[in-house]
Amino acid sequence: DGGITQSPKYLFRKEGQNVTLSCEQNLNHDAMYWYRQDPGQGLRLIYYSQIVNDFQKGDIAEGYSVSREKKESFPLTVTSAQKNPTAFYLCASSNGGLRGETYEQYFGPGTRLTVT
Amino acid sequence: GQNIDQPTEMTATEGAIVQINCTYQTSGFNGLFWYQQHAGEAPTFLSYNVLDGLEEKGRFSSFLSRSKGYSYLLLKELQMKDSASYLCAVPNNYGQNFVFGPGTRLSVLP
Repeated sequence: DGGITQSPKYLFRKEGQNVTLSCEQNLNHDAMYWYRQDPGQGLRLIYYSQIVNDFQKGDIAEGYSVSREKKESFPLTVTSAQKNPTAFYLCASSNGGLRGETYEQYFGPGTRLTVT
Repeated sequence: GQNIDQPTEMTATEGAIVQINCTYQTSGFNGLFWYQQHAGEAPTFLSYNVLDGLEEKGRFSSFLSRSKGYSYLLLKELQMKDSASYLCAVPNNYGQNFVFGPGTRLSVLP
């Protein structure tokens, strides 16, 4: 079955530690995205990648880093520089890429990160 | 820039009809998406409107007026499982990135 997987579903870390969230897709999508969702709020874009080995900052990139070494994978690292890292993190992918056309985004199940 | 507005919360009764509104301001327009998100889960795609008018898909319909910067999602014959947040999203000028509205949390009561 095609889809997007994120692991783990729940993650706990101590303040000051970096943590990497996994996102894998087997939909053969060019574009991948990371969003953050806080309680009662909409999704905010952290980083996105339209093609392998290229990625762009979204609206709230500070304190986060990503890599896109393979088409299927787009891991997100939450660094100790992120001031309020506790949130629900969603990864998505779409056919969009660099073609300039609009396609729906498919979302993974999310990772709930708690930093204490 | 882009700005999207939705009501924060709505309540409706099982079997009824509810309309969730979304207003947007955008410098370019590449269509409007509606997603459903149950608490703690991933958003799932409901509809995409790029032309004016009503798109019907079973119990759910979505309407768009580009001149007014306005869309609504219409849910008929409400069921308890329809209790969820409904997110309105507009792609940016290049079509790839979405700007999401704050979401409308719908509670369906028996």
